[in-house]
Amino acid sequence: TQLLEQSPQFLSIQEGENLTVYCNSSSVFSSLQWYRQEPGEGPVLLVTVVTGGEVKKLKRLTFQFGDARKDSSLHITAAQPGDTGLYLCAGVRYTGNQFYFGTGTSLTVIP
Amino acid sequence: NAGVTQTPKFRVLKTGQSMTLLCAQDMNHEYMYWYRQDPGMGLRLIHYSVGEGTTAKGEVPDGYNVSRLKKQNFLLGLESAAPSQTSVYFCASRPTGPKETQYFGPGTRLLVL
Repeated sequence: TQLLEQSPQFLSIQEGENLTVYCNSSSVFSSLQWYRQEPGEGPVLLVTVVTGGEVKKLKRLTFQFGDARKDSSLHITAAQPGDTGLYLCAGVRYTGNQFYFGTGTSLTVIP
Repeated sequence: NAGVTQTPKFRVLKTGQSMTLLCAQDMNHEYMYWYRQDPGMGLRLIHYSVGEGTTAKGEVPDGYNVSRLKKQNFLLGLESAAPSQTSVYFCASRPTGPKETQYFGPGTRLLVL
């Protein structure tokens, strides 16, 4: 059982649609990160959220950290084919130096 | 800067064989990590290091050993490979501080027959 569960696991949508990916846990994290990974490459950091309730925007992507610091969401507005990839959340607990990764959400945006 | 590099990119092993995966970073980062990635399971931490000469176990350390003799290198060893170790292995490094970005290498694809 992984510490962070993501949903949905797979998502296939048409270009222009909106979507939300969820990252949930029963544990509390000091910070949470979102990564995007393309086939054959390593993950690349999109954003880090550190304050409960924090909302960060990166162009069409909106990230939110839950008030209780146990969950996060990623919302994409007007998805484009270039958004296609594997989205991973990763959390750091207050005790330790480890990053715990979520199970991943594979997004396909169809032109 | 090359960032994080991994050697080799792809390897096929027979059950029981041994091998070492090399990770090198040129960013003078203190922290280095080894992860494995399997379908539907995201990335799981195998071992990590918080500085030269130090190592610690992650979530799935069994069957692996690591060494950090030089700050820029982090080696992952498989003493007796098993089919369950078939996976894609990623190395990452980051500066000190939990909010800092992890920089990942391109991955090593390992197939154990």
